[in-house]
Amino acid sequence: EPEVTQTPSHQVTQMGQEVILRCVPISNHLYFYWYRQILGQKVEFLVSFYNNEISEKSEIFDDQFSVERPDGSNFTLKIRSTKLEDSAMYFCASSSQGGRSNQPQHFGDGTRLSIL
Amino acid sequence: AQSVTQPDIHITVSEGASLELRCNYSYGATPYLFWYVQSPGQGLQLLLKYFSGDTLVQGIKGFEAEFKRSQSSFNLRKPSVHWSDAAEYFCAVGADTDKLIFGTGTRLQVFP
Repeated sequence: EPEVTQTPSHQVTQMGQEVILRCVPISNHLYFYWYRQILGQKVEFLVSFYNNEISEKSEIFDDQFSVERPDGSNFTLKIRSTKLEDSAMYFCASSSQGGRSNQPQHFGDGTRLSIL
Repeated sequence: AQSVTQPDIHITVSEGASLELRCNYSYGATPYLFWYVQSPGQGLQLLLKYFSGDTLVQGIKGFEAEFKRSQSSFNLRKPSVHWSDAAEYFCAVGADTDKLIFGTGTRLQVFP
């Protein structure tokens, strides 16, 4: 069964550094998402992306964050200048349809980001 | 605003016992509802989903869930729990747009 893959599985970065988290969505999917889960807390929506542009973003997704689909297969989340509170598990998800459709989002195994 | 409540933070059951995990949602229209499972160190795996139609939905690994509009609930059930079911379970509602809104999760512990 096709799956969403994320790299790296664990990223350790110094505060203030830039970090790029990478995701390869399921190949025929067109809608892409990033979520994060701070340790011990709920999974929170960050951003959705379709047709090479952001379709929705949360208040968490401020100017320090950006997303990109640099080629036909990768979907990246960049944090420009990391803060301690960015430490979390970041999940990428994809779906074949967006909005209120009957196609669910499929999640990757996540990247654990640790900011020192 | 949409929200999801999972009242039970932690549940412990014996292997072979039945299981029910509670989920209540707040949403103005007909909700799209999901249950995901997260094993330690793993991502979120979709167990089942409800979009419309039959209010009792079957999922993977022997799980089922029942949508009850009158109670704004979507409880997850399994008649006989296996030790491998130990994990964190998240209920989620599909919002007006693309995003999923998750509950805080229920951690299931299974004793032999």
